[in-house]
Amino acid sequence: AQKITQTQPGMFVQEKEAVTLDCTYDTSDQSYGLFWYKQPSSGEMIFLIYQGSYDEQNATEGRYSLNFQKARKSANLVISASQLGDSAMYFCAMREGRWNFNKFYFGSGTKLNVKP
Amino acid sequence: EAGVTQFPSHSVIEKGQTVTLRCDPISGHDNLYWYRRVMGKEIKFLLHFVKESKQDESGMPNNRFLAERTGGTYSTLKVQPAELEDSGVYFCASSQDTGTPNPSYEQYFGPGTRLTVT
Repeated sequence: AQKITQTQPGMFVQEKEAVTLDCTYDTSDQSYGLFWYKQPSSGEMIFLIYQGSYDEQNATEGRYSLNFQKARKSANLVISASQLGDSAMYFCAMREGRWNFNKFYFGSGTKLNVKP
Repeated sequence: EAGVTQFPSHSVIEKGQTVTLRCDPISGHDNLYWYRRVMGKEIKFLLHFVKESKQDESGMPNNRFLAERTGGTYSTLKVQPAELEDSGVYFCASSQDTGTPNPSYEQYFGPGTRLTVT
């Protein structure tokens, strides 16, 4: 079974509006971390935001926030005030366990297009 | 500080040929990972080095794939002989080993090598 599911292959959003990218995960570990990465057309993977399984508050980083619903096993990325430069592929990832060297599990990604 | 670099950026080879991908991690990063994304699918883990040792190679598809990290610096991933299904984008990532439980630590990714097998 897939550990990370991203159900939106593609999304469109109008510039300056907010958009939510969905991510659900599957793990039996109590300790885990959830990450979002952005991949622009240039190819590099840019780390955006992290949420730990024990974190009680939703993570925020500038215009990015993570809507963490532990009971539903979802970790949706919210981008506020979308900009043209936000057009990219977005990947949700999970690291199981406590150790920072454990591998990541990724979803299949969501391609976001921001319209002017 | 230089990021993770990968070479080549693109490679087009014929089925049956050999290709070697290279990854240079961020200096000082003991952990080095290889991942692969086949068109439209999820990014999948291939293997993990700690320094020069293979820590986890559970994601390697078969024995046509050989990864090395001599001296614990750069790594190579060789595919021999290449098959059509090996086409995809191969990502390398690296991270520090802080020696403490810290699941928040990110992995730093390279831009990937796009491999096309025809």
